[in-house]
Amino acid sequence: DAKTTQPPSMDCAEGRAANLPCNHSTISGNEYVYWYRQIHSQGPQYIIHGLKNNETNEMASLIITEDRKSSTLILPHATLRDTAVYYCIVRVASGSARQLTFGSGTQLTVLP
Amino acid sequence: DADVTQTPRNRITKTGKRIMLECSQTKGHDRMYWYRQDPGLGLQLIYYSFDVKDINKGEISDGYSVSRQAQAKFSLSLESAIPNQTALYFCATSGQTGGLNNEQFFGPGTRLTVL
Repeated sequence: DAKTTQPPSMDCAEGRAANLPCNHSTISGNEYVYWYRQIHSQGPQYIIHGLKNNETNEMASLIITEDRKSSTLILPHATLRDTAVYYCIVRVASGSARQLTFGSGTQLTVLP
Repeated sequence: DADVTQTPRNRITKTGKRIMLECSQTKGHDRMYWYRQDPGLGLQLIYYSFDVKDINKGEISDGYSVSRQAQAKFSLSLESAIPNQTALYFCATSGQTGGLNNEQFFGPGTRLTVL
């Protein structure tokens, strides 16, 4: 699976959009970008995933660059409850192994 | 009720003791996973199972063993606990990926302290 690079921490004002970047310059053509988050000491929570098109769901939007070497997770109106560690994971969706490899992630702190 | 449950939620034990962490799920998923998380770090995969007869080692399986008693149950054992196994342990499940979604559903975690 391709390696990802994320900033260790970011702050965002409550009510504003939070934009979390992820670099994955060695991504392969069959690898997807997944985002999970982990609120302090709770189990990780799936947010969104995509291959090459931008994706949106009720939680967030995922913007993937045309060359697929980086992506941005957007929380459109951050709330205090969005304070968490956000993990960007790149992996194939098919194949014999389905485990997720988590890196260090980005600690997002939403400020009142 | 939670879809993925873990017991116990907290456990303090002594070096050399045998301990079992249990995970149950009501999602009907075939695939189950055990991860550990150390303070300030991401998750590391210990073992995973794709069905009742399938057990696979993850990144850090040494010192651990697992048992898949049924589709819904996946237990993690530490035969002889040591202090560096002090960590937060998560169980997770996922469905068949005949489609493309790799979403995993995590339990609430078990905080294990080995003295």
